[in-house]
Amino acid sequence: AQSVTQLDSHVSVSEGTPVLLRCNYSSSYSPSLFWYVQHPNKGLQLLLKYTSAATLVKGINGFEAEFKKSETSFHLTKPSAHMSDAAEYFCVVSAMGRDDKIIFGKGTRLHILP
Amino acid sequence: DAGITQSPRHKVTETGTPVTLRCHQTENHRYMYWYRQDPGHGLRLIHYSYGVKDTDKGEVSDGYSVSRSKTEDFLLTLESATSSQTSVYFCAISTTGSPYEQYFGPGTRLTVT
Repeated sequence: AQSVTQLDSHVSVSEGTPVLLRCNYSSSYSPSLFWYVQHPNKGLQLLLKYTSAATLVKGINGFEAEFKKSETSFHLTKPSAHMSDAAEYFCVVSAMGRDDKIIFGKGTRLHILP
Repeated sequence: DAGITQSPRHKVTETGTPVTLRCHQTENHRYMYWYRQDPGHGLRLIHYSYGVKDTDKGEVSDGYSVSRSKTEDFLLTLESATSSQTSVYFCAISTTGSPYEQYFGPGTRLTVT
């Protein structure tokens, strides 16, 4: 069975400061992990993905995430927030197995303060 | 951009009426998905398709049916709409041979009054 937990429903940071969005997962199999971003009134856009290659994954717009198996975490980071990063972010887990499913987290809304 | 369109983009309908939402893709991807998005729930899978006439249920399939008679079109039908089906509906496709990486359409906002 798989599950994903986004630890914060809302995160606020000032423009120019680092961003950290936390995601923990559980999976019976080797997981693939994703982060998606959704800007207001838009569809979801793939930000980055981990599929058992390098544990540090770089995505678009300066975001990156690190897969830590020992901590079952896949936190999303960015060194310096920009106003355009204000959006909702979804952590997603998927794993090959008999019950091959994609599970979405409930989302973290990122607010950028001027 | 994976060439995904959804129609209509907005719809208001009355309780008890049938509603069909259409997802159209231009790149012949095999896997297609329908999700609903509700505040506090993230995205939840309704139905998915792994080929023409091949569909299966997701976690919230009650009250919904789907059809896929052509590779490019995946239809979601609410046989008798209820207020609990007020939501934003997203179609997605998978570009790989497994449902690991998905690209989403722009969404359809459905209101059932």
